[in-house]
Amino acid sequence: GAVVSQHPSWVICKSGTSVKIECRSLDFQATTMFWYRQFPKQSLMLMATSNEGSKATYEQGVEKDKFLINHASLTLSTLTVTSAHPEDSSFYICSAEDRNAYEQYFGPGTRLTVT
Amino acid sequence: SQQGEEDPQALSIQEGENATMNCSYKTSINNLQWYRQNSGRGLVHLILIRSNEREKHSGRLRVTLDTSKKSSSLLITASRAADTASYFCATGSMNRDDKIIFGKGTRLHILP
Repeated sequence: GAVVSQHPSWVICKSGTSVKIECRSLDFQATTMFWYRQFPKQSLMLMATSNEGSKATYEQGVEKDKFLINHASLTLSTLTVTSAHPEDSSFYICSAEDRNAYEQYFGPGTRLTVT
Repeated sequence: SQQGEEDPQALSIQEGENATMNCSYKTSINNLQWYRQNSGRGLVHLILIRSNEREKHSGRLRVTLDTSKKSSSLLITASRAADTASYFCATGSMNRDDKIIFGKGTRLHILP
């Protein structure tokens, strides 16, 4: 089946630094990717929709200047958490849509810890 | 590996009728979540029900959880055209890794 990878799988960074998380579709082209955040024992919360070649669409309450999303190719979307703070510590998950197969596939997630 | 499996895979009903979707899972869970996804959009969280809860309501939505049968159901009452979407269940692990696992979803189509 189709595979979506995320890198890194976990990262620890100091407060004030920026962290980039990659989401890749490994064997299909994804014109649309989604970014989610999950706090412990909670549901996924959609942060933004990333469309290849255009600006991301952010959900209400998500700061676009803090969570920079770039979808530069049909197989790669990146989420950059800028000036990270401890409250940004969370599990970040991406999913990618395979339009040809009308399926979506989730990445394994990236655990971010900001100290 | 697959954890949650929704049933049916697809469902078409008349507007105004109730829609029921089921979800079965395999391992012990901390919670179970239901999401909706409209075409081309991301998942939207609907309800989270914890393992010690049996039923939960939110507007026209009613979720039940039977941990002995490892199953959950989502009932949408008085369906509307806007309810047309895919519905996914996802299970939250008892483990510390907090990862949740999704089923493949039920495609619900509300007929006018």
